[in-house]
Amino acid sequence: DAGVIQSPRHEVTEMGQEVTLRCKPISGHNSLFWYRQTMMRGLELLIYFNNNVPIDDSGMPEDRFSAKMPNASFSTLKIQPSEPRDSAVYFCASSRPAEGYHSYGYTFGSGTRLTVV
Amino acid sequence: AQSVTQPDIHITVSEGASLELRCNYSYGATPYLFWYVQSPGQGLQLLLKYFSGDTLVQGIKGFEAEFKRSQSSFNLRKPSVHWSDAAEYFCAAARSGNTGKLIFGQGTTLQVKP
Repeated sequence: DAGVIQSPRHEVTEMGQEVTLRCKPISGHNSLFWYRQTMMRGLELLIYFNNNVPIDDSGMPEDRFSAKMPNASFSTLKIQPSEPRDSAVYFCASSRPAEGYHSYGYTFGSGTRLTVV
Repeated sequence: AQSVTQPDIHITVSEGASLELRCNYSYGATPYLFWYVQSPGQGLQLLLKYFSGDTLVQGIKGFEAEFKRSQSSFNLRKPSVHWSDAAEYFCAAARSGNTGKLIFGQGTTLQVKP
């Protein structure tokens, strides 16, 4: 099991540029979550998908942010145009279906550290 | 509103001493509860989880947590801390076990003195 894979690990971009973050969830997991971590706001849920369908995007900061999950093995988070205040670590997490009342929890990727200058 | 609170931003303990990290939650019903650990520059690793049954749950790396419904708490404990335990610890809660929002506390940074 390779875990949740995120790319790139680090991204430095100039203000105004488009940024695309990528995530490959664990095979068999049917839920996928995008989080943002900053010193000021901690860990914030941006959006999550269940069976490739976006369920709740209320955490997406504004229209500059968009996320897609075209299939069960891939998701992207796009920021266009990027701004310095978007600088943060972005985490992807996935989870598998619960079996009865047993929950397996959420498995996190190593994150993408985004710096917008 | 649903929330998770970790009252202690930073804790320092001596190596070999016992540890307790506090977590309180505010939910309409008993949520699923989790503790995660994050080492610098790393992702979050699941330490343990609670969803029902025995209120004392065992996790990895010698950690345990106790669910107390009357206090809306889920405190993390370890009897003897090792230097490698220095990290940031997050308590989290979700309404369901895998498809709901996982809401995090602000985190507690643990420093271990030699």
